[in-house]
Amino acid sequence: EPEVTQTPSHQVTQMGQEVILRCVPISNHLYFYWYRQILGQKVEFLVSFYNNEISEKSEIFDDQFSVERPDGSNFTLKIRSTKLEDSAMYFCASRNRGTGYTFGSGTRLTVV
Amino acid sequence: DQQVKQNSPSLSVQEGRISILNCDYTNSMFDYFLWYKKYPAEGPTFLISISSIKDKNEDGRFTVFLNKSAKHLSLHIVPSQPGDSAVYFCAANSGGSNYKLTFGKGTLLTVNP
Repeated sequence: EPEVTQTPSHQVTQMGQEVILRCVPISNHLYFYWYRQILGQKVEFLVSFYNNEISEKSEIFDDQFSVERPDGSNFTLKIRSTKLEDSAMYFCASRNRGTGYTFGSGTRLTVV
Repeated sequence: DQQVKQNSPSLSVQEGRISILNCDYTNSMFDYFLWYKKYPAEGPTFLISISSIKDKNEDGRFTVFLNKSAKHLSLHIVPSQPGDSAVYFCAANSGGSNYKLTFGKGTLLTVNP
């Protein structure tokens, strides 16, 4: 069964450093998403991406965040200058028209 | 701003009995509701969904009930199995092409053999 692949599974970074979280969505999917879950809290929407542009973003997704689909297969989330409160599990997801989400296994980001 | 609420952080059930997981929502614009299951170190996986035009949807051992007037939905698992032990998330969508999901905090279900 097709999968959404996320790398790395765990990333530790120093506060203020840039971090890039990588995702390979399912190949024929058209819609791409990032969600995050801070420990003990709900899964929160960050951003949706369609047709090579952001289609919607949450208030969490400020200027420190950006997304890119550089080569037609990878979908990346960049955090420019990480803060302690960015520590969370980050989930990538993709879907096609008329289908539900397929989530990746997540990247646990720890900012120290 | 908890638009989707799962008030029980955990639930423990004996194998073979019924598990009932509850979810409440506040946003009247939600018209599609989903349940996801999550094991540790994995992403959420889709379990079952229901459109707001229905009040029940069944898939094998899993049934979701929707009470729109009460803004409440529930997931019934019967009979419960130890492999059902996981975190269950309720999620809702208010339509639109972006299909953004709003999640609850989740309920940890433990099914004891």
